[in-house]
Amino acid sequence: EVQLLESGGGLVQPGGSLRLSCAASGFTLRNYAMSWVRQAPGKGLEWVAGISGSGADTYHLDPVKGRLTISRDNSKNTLFLQMDSLRAEDTGIYYCARDLSMNRLLPEHLAYWGQGTLVTVSS
Amino acid sequence: SSELTQDPAVSVALGQTVRITCQGDSLRIYYASWYQQRPGQAPVFVMYGKNNRPSGIPDRFSGSSSGNTASLTITGAQAEDEADYYCNSRDSSGNLLIFGGGTKLTVL
Repeated sequence: EVQLLESGGGLVQPGGSLRLSCAASGFTLRNYAMSWVRQAPGKGLEWVAGISGSGADTYHLDPVKGRLTISRDNSKNTLFLQMDSLRAEDTGIYYCARDLSMNRLLPEHLAYWGQGTLVTVSS
Repeated sequence: SSELTQDPAVSVALGQTVRITCQGDSLRIYYASWYQQRPGQAPVFVMYGKNNRPSGIPDRFSGSSSGNTASLTITGAQAEDEADYYCNSRDSSGNLLIFGGGTKLTVL
C-alpha cells in the first residue's frame, strides 16, 4: 500500500525557516516524480514544486523560487521541502504527492497524497 | 504561464447528473486530471487522461475533453459526492503544473 507521511510543519515567524519531510512507503521512491502542493486556509490547491525520480530535475513555482527548494533522498525514501525567508502568504497545509506513472521527469497526474502538514507563518 | 478556470459552485439533485468543467489554453495540449476533496481531508485522484478512472473510483465518474475544456461528469450523484473538485494540468510551457480554482459541488 502506498503511504506518504508529511512532517515538519509548525509555527514560524516571518523570515524564518522550516524543513518539511515526506516519508514514502509501499513503493520504490526513485521510480517516481514527486510534488509538493499547498493549500492556504479556505483556499484552493496550489502546486509549489516538483522533482524527477533521480532528483536531477526540479521545478518550482515562480513566487517561491529561491525560497522554497524541493529535494529528495531516495536511499532514505524521503522527500523534502526546504522553506526559507518565509512569508505570511506561505501559510497553509503542505501535501506531498506521488505521480501516477513511473519515470516521468515532471509530475503530471498526482495519484497519491499524504495527509498534509500545517505551516503557519506569523509573528 | 497559464490558468485553469472552474465555476466556483455547482449543485445537483440526488441521483441526477452533473458536469463540472475546467477551461484553459493548456488543455488544448494536455489532458486534465481531477481531484475530489472532502472537508478536512486530503485530495483524492478521481480522473485522468481522456477518460481514465483510477482503481477504486466508482464508474459514475467519467471524463471528457474538447478544445480548451475538460469535463468531469457524475452520473447519478450520491450524497458522498458532495465535495470540492479541482482540475489540473501542465501549463502551456509544459514545465509547471497548474490547478483550477476548484468547484464546490452540493448534492441536494
